[in-house]
Amino acid sequence: GAVVSQHPSWVICKSGTSVKIECRSLDFQATTMFWYRQFPKQSLMLMATSNEGSKATYEQGVEKDKFLINHASLTLSTLTVTSAHPEDSSFYICSARDSGVSSYYEQYFGPGTRLTVT
Amino acid sequence: GENVEQHPSTLSVQEGDSAVIKCTYSDSASNYFPWYKQELGKGPQLIIDIRSNVGEKKDQRIAVTLNKTAKHFSLHITETQPEDSAVYFCAGGSARQLTFGSGTQLTVLP
Repeated sequence: GAVVSQHPSWVICKSGTSVKIECRSLDFQATTMFWYRQFPKQSLMLMATSNEGSKATYEQGVEKDKFLINHASLTLSTLTVTSAHPEDSSFYICSARDSGVSSYYEQYFGPGTRLTVT
Repeated sequence: GENVEQHPSTLSVQEGDSAVIKCTYSDSASNYFPWYKQELGKGPQLIIDIRSNVGEKKDQRIAVTLNKTAKHFSLHITETQPEDSAVYFCAGGSARQLTFGSGTQLTVLP
């Protein structure tokens, strides 16, 4: 149980284009999902918290107009990187929190999406 | 906000030996402390967690201890195996948000 999927697993795009990454909770409902960014050999940095049916909460320094987040259902959140530039190349990982009371704290992570902007 | 520090950054142990990774946190309001294992090119996998009302938790070869007074918690892996080799992250926070440590590259030597 508690499986989170991401699609695509890797993507290469040209500078100036937009890329959408999907995050799905497969066997549980997730009122809240999180988007992280990870550079090589570094830790996970929280970008934003996504809440179903409401606007995402972005961390300081994260451009909300560049990283668009949509959490339209209890099992799907999307991250769109708009007008991508080479510095946006990174490993993007989502996590989801099970809305069930007994496991309220745990975050289950997806496998990540490797974005390369050329 | 929360600040989590993790040590060591790299750790090599012989197969069968124990490994210990330590983390400290700054926010006394933090009440949830998970540990994640991340293999190369994959997402983090939750391996064990502890909440602030518990001092120790064990799951087979893995254990976590928490000292709320000193604001530190540790991961203990006994009888290490080559498949334990990975990057391990501690985190601290709450249901609302987690702050991650910098990670420990654990290498188990055969």
